[in-house]
Amino acid sequence: GAVVSQHPSRVICKSGTSVKIECRSLDFQATTMFWYRQFPKQSLMLMATSNEGSKATYEQGVEKDKFLINHASLTLSTLTVTSAHPEDSSFYICSARDEVGVETQYFGPGTRLLVL
Amino acid sequence: GQQLNQSPQSMFIQEGEDVSMNCTSSSIFNTWLWYKQDPGEGPVLLIALYKAGELTSNGRLTAQFGITRKDSFLNISASIPSDVGIYFCAVNTGANSKLTFGKGITLSVRP
Repeated sequence: GAVVSQHPSRVICKSGTSVKIECRSLDFQATTMFWYRQFPKQSLMLMATSNEGSKATYEQGVEKDKFLINHASLTLSTLTVTSAHPEDSSFYICSARDEVGVETQYFGPGTRLLVL
Repeated sequence: GQQLNQSPQSMFIQEGEDVSMNCTSSSIFNTWLWYKQDPGEGPVLLIALYKAGELTSNGRLTAQFGITRKDSFLNISASIPSDVGIYFCAVNTGANSKLTFGKGITLSVRP
């Protein structure tokens, strides 16, 4: 099946620094990728839709200047958490939409971010 | 906003037992999806349902898309320890196939 990777899998950073998370579709092209955030024992909450070659679409309440998204190629989207604070500590998961055949979203393994 | 209802939050069963999980909504959706998430991992698609009334199987898993298009259930037969995890239902909402997830059900299987 289709594979989506995320890098890094875990990151610990100091408050005030920026962290970049990569999401790659390994064996298919994805014009659309999605970024989710998941707090412990909670469901996945969509943060933004990443569109290849254009600006991301953010969900209500998500600060676009804080969570910068770049989708420069058909296989790579990046999420940068700028000036991270402890409350940004969370599990960030991306998904990529495979548009060939029956449309399906495949999820990455997630990135655990801890801001000290 | 749109809400998917999954309850109870946790289920505890004995190895070998069958278990059924329900997902309901007050709105109509044309696609219902079931995902499983293991601790520290991303969700993995189990079954996708595209047609009202559709019954689809994937090994020991069976899922049905409700006739009213407002609900779906997932059944796991002859449970095994590796079935432990969080089971989410999800629906396609809006443009670009955005997904909305239910709160999930944590399944525990006693050996």
